[in-house]
Amino acid sequence: LAKTTQPISMDSYEGQEVNITCSHNNIATNDYITWYQQFPSQGPRFIIQGYKTKVTNEVASLFIPADRKSSTLSLPRVSLSDTAVYYCLVGDWKSNTGKLIFGQGTTLQVKP
Amino acid sequence: EAEVAQSPRYKITEKSQAVAFWCDPISGHATLYWYRQILGQGPELLVQFQDESVVDDSQLPKDRFSAERLKGVDSTLKIQPAELGDSAMYLCASSPVGQLDSPLHFGNGTRLTVT
Repeated sequence: LAKTTQPISMDSYEGQEVNITCSHNNIATNDYITWYQQFPSQGPRFIIQGYKTKVTNEVASLFIPADRKSSTLSLPRVSLSDTAVYYCLVGDWKSNTGKLIFGQGTTLQVKP
Repeated sequence: EAEVAQSPRYKITEKSQAVAFWCDPISGHATLYWYRQILGQGPELLVQFQDESVVDDSQLPKDRFSAERLKGVDSTLKIQPAELGDSAMYLCASSPVGQLDSPLHFGNGTRLTVT
C-alpha cells in the first residue's frame, strides 16, 4: 500500500488560497488519489479525487504531476469554516479488496 | 443526500463491560468499513465487508472485537470486554464499488469512552 506524507499543520488567513501537498512516492498504477476533510466530532467527508493531471470541482482543485508521486490540494479563498483536518489517501478503492489507509492528516487553521 | 447512519452517537461504559455499535450504510452500497479513530490521529481500518463477507480484518483485535454483517446490509461492531485503550471514535463508512464519484461515505461515528 502506498504511504502518504503531508505536513502536520498549516495556518492561513481568510480569503487566501491554500495549497496542501502530499507525497506518495510508491503509488501504484491502479491507485487513485483522494482527499477528505474532517471537522471535529464528524466523519471525514470526501472533497476530491483524481488519477492524473488536474481535477476541479466546486470546492477544490487537485493537481497531480505526470509522475504521480505527489499531489496538491488547492482550496481557493478559504474561510474560517475551512478550518479542519485534511487527509490525503492513495489506493485502488475500485477493487473489491481495495482499501484506503489514512495518515495523520494536515490540520489547517484559518485565521480572521 | 443519503447518509450512513450510526448509533449510538455517544457511549460511556466501564472497562470489562460489553459494548456494541450499529451502522446502516447507504442503500445499495456493497462495501462497508469500520474504522477506529483515536483523538489526534487519522482513522485506522478495523474491518472491511463486501456484502456479508469479511474482506479484511487483519487489524481487528479478534480477542475482544467482533463484527458482523449478516444480511449484507447493516452491521454491528462489538467489543467484549472493553478496555481503557478502546476509548475512541468508531466510524462506519460505505462505498459503491465500481463508481468514481465518491469512494467512501462516512457516518458521524460513535464516540466511546471507557472508564
